[in-house]
Amino acid sequence: GAVVSQHPSWVICKSGTSVKIECRSLDFQATTMFWYRQFPKQSLMLMATSNEGSKATYEQGVEKDKFLINHASLTLSTLTVTSAHPEDSSFYICSEKRASGSDEQFFGPGTRLTVL
Amino acid sequence: AQSVTQLGSHVSVSEGALVLLRCNYSSSVPPYLFWYVQYPNQGLQLLLKYTTGATLVKGINGFEAEFKKSETSFHLTKPSAHMSDAAEYFCAVSEGAGTALIFGKGTTLSVSS
Repeated sequence: GAVVSQHPSWVICKSGTSVKIECRSLDFQATTMFWYRQFPKQSLMLMATSNEGSKATYEQGVEKDKFLINHASLTLSTLTVTSAHPEDSSFYICSEKRASGSDEQFFGPGTRLTVL
Repeated sequence: AQSVTQLGSHVSVSEGALVLLRCNYSSSVPPYLFWYVQYPNQGLQLLLKYTTGATLVKGINGFEAEFKKSETSFHLTKPSAHMSDAAEYFCAVSEGAGTALIFGKGTTLSVSS
């Protein structure tokens, strides 16, 4: 079964509003979480890497004040898209790495954001 | 910097035919290599991965890939395609355990009967 969940799975919002996306590990503790975005028919692009208890590291070109990442616990990371605009419409996917054991990353099912 | 190139954005095969999806990478360090599959409206599922050791890696659903350092390639193959294999396939590279993945643009596999 799924080991990483995302909520919501689909969100539609008005331009200018903020949207929070949650990423939860269901049966393990995740030391590191990654956030990706995927435009239609394109590949996943890494946005940021977050370690529990420390600030996220953002990839070049990703606005940290617009995409707020909080990794408050070993089972929850949130991505908040602030003042969303239509160009932010995308598929946002998180992945998590276990605190111990395998180095495999587990991907969430993704959240589809549509900004009107 | 690491990068991944997937040759062919769309591959079409007949059911029962060989599947070959190409992936070339660039990396300044020994790479970790992955193939993921994504079905419509679903998340990514790991097919197989290479970290160290045997260069021929077997994955789920009958897929396998071979790491060829001299060719900087990690092509994905399956001897006999099935209709259920139709999906989007992504090759990815990382610098090591638990580091971020760099994805290729993806290849859409279509299987006809």
